[in-house]
Amino acid sequence: ETGVTQSPTHLIKTRGQQVTLRCSSQSGHNTVSWYQQALGQGPQFIFQYYREEENGRGNFPPRFSGLQFPNYSSELNVNALELDDSALYLCASSLVGGARETQYFGPGTRLLVL
Amino acid sequence: LAKTTQPISMDSYEGQEVNITCSHNNIATNDYITWYQQFPSQGPRFIIQGYKTKVTNEVASLFIPADRKSSTLSLPRVSLSDTAVYYCLVGDMYSGSQGNLIFGKGTKLSVKP
Repeated sequence: ETGVTQSPTHLIKTRGQQVTLRCSSQSGHNTVSWYQQALGQGPQFIFQYYREEENGRGNFPPRFSGLQFPNYSSELNVNALELDDSALYLCASSLVGGARETQYFGPGTRLLVL
Repeated sequence: LAKTTQPISMDSYEGQEVNITCSHNNIATNDYITWYQQFPSQGPRFIIQGYKTKVTNEVASLFIPADRKSSTLSLPRVSLSDTAVYYCLVGDMYSGSQGNLIFGKGTKLSVKP
């Protein structure tokens, strides 16, 4: 177990709705990254937060937004859901400052948009 | 960011050693090489990470030649539970640039009895 938890495990939404996914980082980690994984594909980087500020973003539109809290837990918010947003959403936490920071992934949230 | 190329799939039998090779011709000086394992509907699990030569841990070995343009993940004596997708990633973990970790499609390893 990585110590990274995500909620909910599964979620069904309809097109146009908004969704919030949550991630609790491994104890002591100060960085969280979010990834989207479509069926049969590798995870795609959405963005990363370090000490509550966005620290890098992938090729995702602004309707994908995030927050990192002082306790280093995190949220991923997606507005105006589209059918193509159906995917497994993964968060990964790590500790910046070491020579080689390794990202530890949570189990993911499976989102289905109808 | 260095792109990686891996075989799409591999088959093996229980008890065999499996070697999965990844090509990363454009690897940069500051890049590390990391391998993850992923089971269906689960998050990727860190296996091993290295910069050069050989790294070994309790589950795998990672061989990196001097030019670092490729790497080989070695899984000793695989079992049925090693059936999974294996991803090779190359990158400077905290450059702050886009594309924090670039995952390809990975290698789907099937272990047969």
